[in-house]
Order: sequence, then structure tokens, then C-alpha cells
Amino acid sequence: NAGVTQTPKFRILKIGQSMTLQCTQDMNHNYMYWYRQDPGMGLKLIYYSVGAGITDKGEVPNGYNVSRSTTEDFPLRLELAAPSQTSVYFCASSTGRAKLEAFFGQGTRLTVV
Amino acid sequence: DAKTTQPPSMDCAEGRAANLPCNHSTISGNEYVYWYRQIHSQGPQYIIHGLKNNETNEMASLIITEDRKSSTLILPHATLRDTAVYYCIVRVDPQQAGTALIFGKGTTLSVSS
Repeated sequence: NAGVTQTPKFRILKIGQSMTLQCTQDMNHNYMYWYRQDPGMGLKLIYYSVGAGITDKGEVPNGYNVSRSTTEDFPLRLELAAPSQTSVYFCASSTGRAKLEAFFGQGTRLTVV
Repeated sequence: DAKTTQPPSMDCAEGRAANLPCNHSTISGNEYVYWYRQIHSQGPQYIIHGLKNNETNEMASLIITEDRKSSTLILPHATLRDTAVYYCIVRVDPQQAGTALIFGKGTTLSVSS
């Protein structure tokens, strides 16, 4: 079972560069999420989606964009990278039903220099 | 979603039961209690959830007080591999609200031999 797959695992960006963090899940889950985790801190919700074509902002959406054209994929776009975006990014998915067991990817460690 | 309060850290001897408390005094009647854990640098892992009855699965037990203002996650026989950050999350039935999991700072559990 692949579950939730994130690519790349590591990336170094220069200030002002752009990149897309990829996330794909093979469990046919409607709900998908993007979180960031700064060193020693808890996870902060960036964006989430309740189904293809539907996205909504989380706690810390500034500087990011998302799209959800398919059930499987939920890419996160950084347009103008800043040092404050240095973090570990986690993608997750869930059925959205009462159990709400969310499955997380292994994370993307991003450094902006 | 209701807020939760957890102790920042706890210690436990290997083989003993680990009891992790969580206060959620403003919980609403339709809000579930979820527990996740995050082992160093990995994505969070679902443990268990409940509404008002006590729950048990292969990983842990969840004890919710009758007034639902607090709960305790019990790892019956802690091992070194249970060393992790444990998050208590309170949220509504996703079919009603469609909101995502909001993580706090959690409790760092250290299991030692």
C-alpha cells in the first residue's frame, strides 16, 4: 500500500524561487490537507480540500496556493520562497467520515536560503 | 473547534502503563476526541478516537470522563518505540462541519529502560 506519497523529500530553495510540493494518495479519500511544522513546534494547517475542485484556507495560508483537480492529487505551490517558509511540510488524507483516521505522508523538508 | 490542554512532557518506564491526560473543558456535545502521535521526524499517526464512551484498540485505550471535559490516553505497556509527541485533538463530526484536524503542541512522552 502506497498510502500518501510526497515528493520531493528534501529541497533547498533560494529566496524568491518557486516550487511545487507534490502529494498523491491512492486510497480514494475525499479529504486532503497540507500542514507545516517548524522545529520544535506542532503542525499548522495551511490548506485543505474536501473534494476535487474544492479547497479552503487553514491557519497559515499566506504565501501558498493549492489546487485539487483530481481526487488523488493535492499539490502545494510556493510562489516566492522566503526564509520563513523553511519548514517540514506534511500532506495528509482522510475519508472525512466519523472515524477520521488521517493518513500522513513522510514529509518534505524545505530550506529557503 | 474546542481547545485542548496537555502537559508539555511526561516520562514513563518501559513496561509500565503510560497515562496521558488531556483537558477539553469547552468541548461541545457533537465533538469527538482524537489522539495522534508523531515519532521523531515522521508524519503523525492516528491512535484512537471517541465521543463519550471509553474506547480500546490494539494500540491504546481512551478514557473520557462522564462530563467529557477531559480524557486520558492509556498505553498499557509502554515500550521505547512509544517515545513520541502525543496530540489530543477535539473536533466536530467532519460530515457536519468539514473542518480539518487542528494540532496543538502535544505531550512529549519519553519512555526509558
